Amino acid sequence: ILNVEQSPQSLHVQEGDSTNFTCSFPSSNFYALHWYRWETAKSPEALFVMTLNGDEKKKGRISATLNTKEGYSYLYIKGSQPEDSATYLCAWDGGGTSYGKLTFGQGTILTVHP
Amino acid sequence: DAGVIQSPRHEVTEMGQEVTLRCKPISGHDYLFWYRQTMMRGLELLIYFNNNVPIDDSGMPEDRFSAKMPNASFSTLKIQPSEPRDSAVYFCASSLSRGGGTGELFFGEGSRLTVL
Repeated sequence: ILNVEQSPQSLHVQEGDSTNFTCSFPSSNFYALHWYRWETAKSPEALFVMTLNGDEKKKGRISATLNTKEGYSYLYIKGSQPEDSATYLCAWDGGGTSYGKLTFGQGTILTVHP
Repeated sequence: DAGVIQSPRHEVTEMGQEVTLRCKPISGHDYLFWYRQTMMRGLELLIYFNNNVPIDDSGMPEDRFSAKMPNASFSTLKIQPSEPRDSAVYFCASSLSRGGGTGELFFGEGSRLTVL
């Protein structure tokens, strides 16, 4: 079984705090690592898709890094705001004949308190 | 673009009834995915299609589940007969292949199924 693990499961921070969470995935096969943001009562929306070892992506206060050799990615949020409260999902694409087949982690639930 | 469109948004049915969920992917996308979201298992892939052809249905729980994609703009997920343990939110998503895009998934708003 090829697992994608995320930690922590949940996180409570104060407005203005910076935070980060981890996604680990099988390093044996790799095509892409996705990060999605999932707000309550909505559908997941893509934040980043990373394909190269050492990739760093940034969108506003949110950034992500990727280490394919050791099989992990970090998502960082700088100066958290209440509107950042959501579940953050990572998903691994092992490529090859299963290209496009994403295996999702269980997510990190972030709550930002005003 | 209207995005991925799913129907119905909510379905309440009784055990043993047939349920059909529908999905219209984003025009031009060549991959379509059906996911199920539950508290216990998170988002799990049921089946996905490439150019209307099923590629991997290993996530379909059992023979009661079937999915079709008769053309590039429509897919169905059918459960017959339905059981209470099928209660979940079912998401449809579409994407562009590596040649045309990053492969990011665009999700529909989901169909919440409750089987009594």
